[in-house]
Amino acid sequence: DQQVKQNSPSLSVQEGRISILNCDYTNSMFDYFLWYKKYPAEGPTFLISISSIKDKNEDGRFTVFLNKSAKHLSLHIVPSQPGDSAVYFCAASFFGNEKLTFGTGTRLTIIP
Amino acid sequence: DTEVTQTPKHLVMGMTNKKSLKCEQHMGHRAMYWYKQKAKKPPELMFVYSYEKLPINESVPSRFSPECPNSSLLNLHLHALQPEDSALYLCASSQNAEPEAFFGQGTRLTVV
Repeated sequence: DQQVKQNSPSLSVQEGRISILNCDYTNSMFDYFLWYKKYPAEGPTFLISISSIKDKNEDGRFTVFLNKSAKHLSLHIVPSQPGDSAVYFCAASFFGNEKLTFGTGTRLTIIP
Repeated sequence: DTEVTQTPKHLVMGMTNKKSLKCEQHMGHRAMYWYKQKAKKPPELMFVYSYEKLPINESVPSRFSPECPNSSLLNLHLHALQPEDSALYLCASSQNAEPEAFFGQGTRLTVV
């Protein structure tokens, strides 16, 4: 039972344009969401997070939006850079619980 | 540079071998984790060790045996593994009750 889903396995975006990665979840008990970036043969790197009391969180080129009623979150990267090419995982948690449930990942390719 | 260090980076072992994976963090975090990631799949939680809490085992077979000598070290002892246990094993740490986990680079394990 995949509680966190990323329906796009891959995405290609022109350098300088906006990248939008999407994530859906089914468990309404999740109240904290995170995005991780992963290069091949490396561990995931934490990017940005959002709690369910917010609908937006911004950090530099990265913005995460949360739509609780739709059980949907998205990560916006603008402007996209070649170094952003990686696999992106969304993850969900209950605040106060250490377990992260990861989505299936989206491979982002930035085209120079 | 990651502040969660895993050794070795690569490991090949036979099904009758005993080996150990090591993880160390220097961030003063009080929770440490082992995740397993198969190819083209998301990371899946195996174990959680939190300071002053009981360890959490996510229904992992006994051929995987974690050991937490202190709050900055987490080992994973391996014995009688199967070829299907071949995967990337990721260690992570976080502040207690905080969902943001920081990952090491992983150990690529191959069981032959």
